[in-house]
Amino acid sequence: QKEVEQDPGPLSVPEGAIVSLNCTYSNSAFQYFMWYRQYSRKGPELLMYTYSSGNKEDGRFTAQVDKSSKYISLFIRDSQPSDSATYLCAMSGNTGGFKTIFGAGTRLFVKA
Amino acid sequence: GAVVSQHPSWVICKSGTSVKIECRSLDFQATTMFWYRQFPKQSLMLMATSNEGSKATYEQGVEKDKFLINHASLTLSTLTVTSAHPEDSSFYICSARGQGGRTNTGELFFGEGSRLTVL
Repeated sequence: QKEVEQDPGPLSVPEGAIVSLNCTYSNSAFQYFMWYRQYSRKGPELLMYTYSSGNKEDGRFTAQVDKSSKYISLFIRDSQPSDSATYLCAMSGNTGGFKTIFGAGTRLFVKA
Repeated sequence: GAVVSQHPSWVICKSGTSVKIECRSLDFQATTMFWYRQFPKQSLMLMATSNEGSKATYEQGVEKDKFLINHASLTLSTLTVTSAHPEDSSFYICSARGQGGRTNTGELFFGEGSRLTVL
């Protein structure tokens, strides 16, 4: 079993839809949870950063962490074609020197 | 957020030559930098962890003599692909994690990536 599981997609939605992206994990030591957006042939860009459980909102993006279920989500409201990218979840904890574990990435296509 | 700069963004070289890629943290001190390799439509594959002033720690299966990593200062790490061959063609990305504030909480900041093509 991988430490972090993420459906690679692709996920295709119409413009304006609400997008839900998810990851599950197995290591209860993870405390820091991140979502990155990566456009083709570019480095990942940090979108959201959350410590421990709870919700965090930034504009059209909402990140949720449920440590009891070992489940994290990223919601994108009013999705735009410019949101089309690969979204990577990532997480780390204060074991193993904060080694960051990445999900496989979900490819998202938002159709105009 | 913190800025990490990677150079060159793309490079084409002949088989057998060596190529150096630089990764710089521009507005924070990066005690730890990471080097990844990414194949098309795949996730990031961690190659090695680079700590300032000490030897890099390589992941299993990564040849340390092939991929030389140097982290001589708190703002610069370099990856040298030695005697490059076509199978080394890939997208190489660095990331950095520093000291203090959000840069000491596991949060990673990525460079723009370097696309290497070996002919």
